[in-house]
Amino acid sequence: DTAVSQTPKYLVTQMGNDKSIKCEQNLGHDTMYWYKQDSKKFLKIMFSYNNKELIINETVPNRFSPKSPDKAHLNLHINSLELGDSAVYFCASSQNRLDFTGAYEQYFGPGTRLTVT
Amino acid sequence: AQSVTQLDSQVPVFEEAPVELRCNYSSSVSVYLFWYVQYPNQGLQLLLKYLSGSTLVESINGFEAEFNKSQTSFHLRKPSVHISDTAEYFCAVSKNTNAGKSTFGDGTTLTVKP
Repeated sequence: DTAVSQTPKYLVTQMGNDKSIKCEQNLGHDTMYWYKQDSKKFLKIMFSYNNKELIINETVPNRFSPKSPDKAHLNLHINSLELGDSAVYFCASSQNRLDFTGAYEQYFGPGTRLTVT
Repeated sequence: AQSVTQLDSQVPVFEEAPVELRCNYSSSVSVYLFWYVQYPNQGLQLLLKYLSGSTLVESINGFEAEFNKSQTSFHLRKPSVHISDTAEYFCAVSKNTNAGKSTFGDGTTLTVKP
């Protein structure tokens, strides 16, 4: 069973289009994340949700909008795609809860390679 | 604020040689430390972690890392590497607050040559 899954795995689209990436985790975790990994392999956190509530929102253009319909899903919608949005996007989850301090590792999905032409 | 510095962006080694990937962190509070590995075209997966207790932690595939509080380091070592260890390695640090937000280093590319 896949713990954290993302669809699609590859996404090729033109500038100006709107696209979505879906993420699902079956681990029962409370927290989910979106990361962007650029061509130099640098990993940057974009958003984090805890039990459907947005808790981390890094400096990301407002063309990016995360949506969490339930705590097992965190989708990423991107409007008006730009060339600079080309990257690999990773979804991740962890057991962290806001009412409990602890250190839990993150489980990553396989990534979605977005190419904007 | 916390930060992580991986001191080497690329480490080429020959098969069966020892390797050390260096990681330094800064934080004003106690932290938890992690090493993740990313094999080509895959997501990251946890290699090992330090939460508390023994400062030397080990993974199932022969890697180990030592937490050094005085030097604020968490270097990753393996006495003898295999071709299959070729991957990107990320050091990460998180506090026990803020719902576990982790800060990742910029990664070290380990290339094992035959």
